[in-house]
Amino acid sequence: GAVVSQHPSWVICKSGTSVKIECRSLDFQATTMFWYRQFPKQSLMLMATSNEGSKATYEQGVEKDKFLINHASLTLSTLTVTSAHPEDSSFYICSAQTGGNYGYTFGSGTRLTVV
Amino acid sequence: GNSVTQMEGPVTLSEEAFLTINCTYTATGYPSLFWYVQYPGEGLQLLLKATKADDKGSNKGFEATYRKETTSFHLEKGSVQVSDSAVYFCALTPSGGYQKVTFGTGTKLQVIP
Repeated sequence: GAVVSQHPSWVICKSGTSVKIECRSLDFQATTMFWYRQFPKQSLMLMATSNEGSKATYEQGVEKDKFLINHASLTLSTLTVTSAHPEDSSFYICSAQTGGNYGYTFGSGTRLTVV
Repeated sequence: GNSVTQMEGPVTLSEEAFLTINCTYTATGYPSLFWYVQYPGEGLQLLLKATKADDKGSNKGFEATYRKETTSFHLEKGSVQVSDSAVYFCALTPSGGYQKVTFGTGTKLQVIP
C-alpha cells in the first residue's frame, strides 16, 4: 500500500535554530499533503495544506513565516520551523491523499523538542 | 466549528477484555466519521469509517456505529489482544471525500497479558 516516509522521527534543537522535517511519498505521487501538529493531550490540529508547485494554504493562526512549507515535487513536502522556540516543541505529522474512498496516508510523525 | 471529543486515556485492559472508547462529535450537517489507529513508531492508519447515520464500520474485530441521535461513534472490540496496544483517534470530515479532517485527542490503549 501507499507509504509516507517522515524524517526525522525525533529532533532536539537549540532555540533560534531552524529545523526541517521531510515527508516523502514512496510509491505514489502526492499532489496534496497536509501538515498537523499535536500538543500533549490535545487534538491533531491542521497547520497547512500544501499543493505541489504552488504556495501552501495555512490555517488561521499559523504563522506562514515561521512554518515554511515547500512542496516542490510530487513525492516530497518539507516543513521548516524557523527560529524555533521552546513553545514550538510539539509532535508534527504529515499526511497525503492517496486516492478515493477517504484515502489519507500518514507519516510516522516527528517529535520536536526545542531547548 | 466542528469538534471531536473522545475519552482520555490511557486505558489499560487485560487480554481478552471488552473495549469501549467513547467518541462524540459536534458538526453541522452529516459528517463522515472515522477511527484511526497509530501503532508505536508508525503513522496513523484508517481503522474503520461510517458515512451516514446508523452505518456500522468494522475492521479487525473493531466496530463503531454512527449514532446521529446521540452524535456518537464509540469504538468497541469484544476481546482485545496485546497487539491492539496503540493510540486510537476518532475523527470526522464535514462531508464525503477530501475535506479537512478534525481529530479527537487520541486515546492510548495498553493491553497487558
